[in-house]
Amino acid sequence: DGGITQSPKYLFRKEGQNVTLSCEQNLNHDAMYWYRQDPGQGLRLIYYSQIVNDFQKGDIAEGYSVSREKKESFPLTVTSAQKNPTAFYLCASSRAGQNTEAFFGQGTRLTVV
Amino acid sequence: DAKTTQPNSMESNEEEPVHLPCNHSTISGTDYIHWYRQLPSQGPEYVIHGLTSNVNNRMASLAIAEDRKSSTLILHRATLRDAAVYYCILRAYGGATNKLIFGTGTLLAVQP
Repeated sequence: DGGITQSPKYLFRKEGQNVTLSCEQNLNHDAMYWYRQDPGQGLRLIYYSQIVNDFQKGDIAEGYSVSREKKESFPLTVTSAQKNPTAFYLCASSRAGQNTEAFFGQGTRLTVV
Repeated sequence: DAKTTQPNSMESNEEEPVHLPCNHSTISGTDYIHWYRQLPSQGPEYVIHGLTSNVNNRMASLAIAEDRKSSTLILHRATLRDAAVYYCILRAYGGATNKLIFGTGTLLAVQP
């Protein structure tokens, strides 16, 4: 089945460690996005990529890094520089253009202890 | 990025229609109006989108004002499964501005 997959669903890490969240899609979408959601809040854009080997910072990119080496994959690394990394992370993909719908993964809940 | 304004919360009764409003007074001529909804601990789900004309699909209808400064998502018969946060988003034209910027959305409660 076509779709977008995030793994793992739950992730625990110690403070000061970098952690990488996986996002894979088999929808042949050019654009991919990472969002962060805190309890009771809306989604905030971290990074987005319109095409392979290119990506741009969103509204809250500090403390995060991404890569887009393959069309299907857009991993997000939460670095030790991120001051408050505990959150729900969502990945999305879409075809290019504003007249298209975005598909979201089921999210990764990261807890840093 | 153009902004949207939605009520924080709304209530509805099961099997009654629901009208969820959204104001977007700074919308530009090429911005599409998108609606997504999110159930607790899940990723958002696409509902509907449109540019100028009213749109219908199996999930909902989208009514767009003639001046495009506001829109309304219509759920024709609310069910308990429609209880979610509904986001109204403007998706701009061109390259890097195709990103989806979410606001705080409207929390819809459906009473049996």
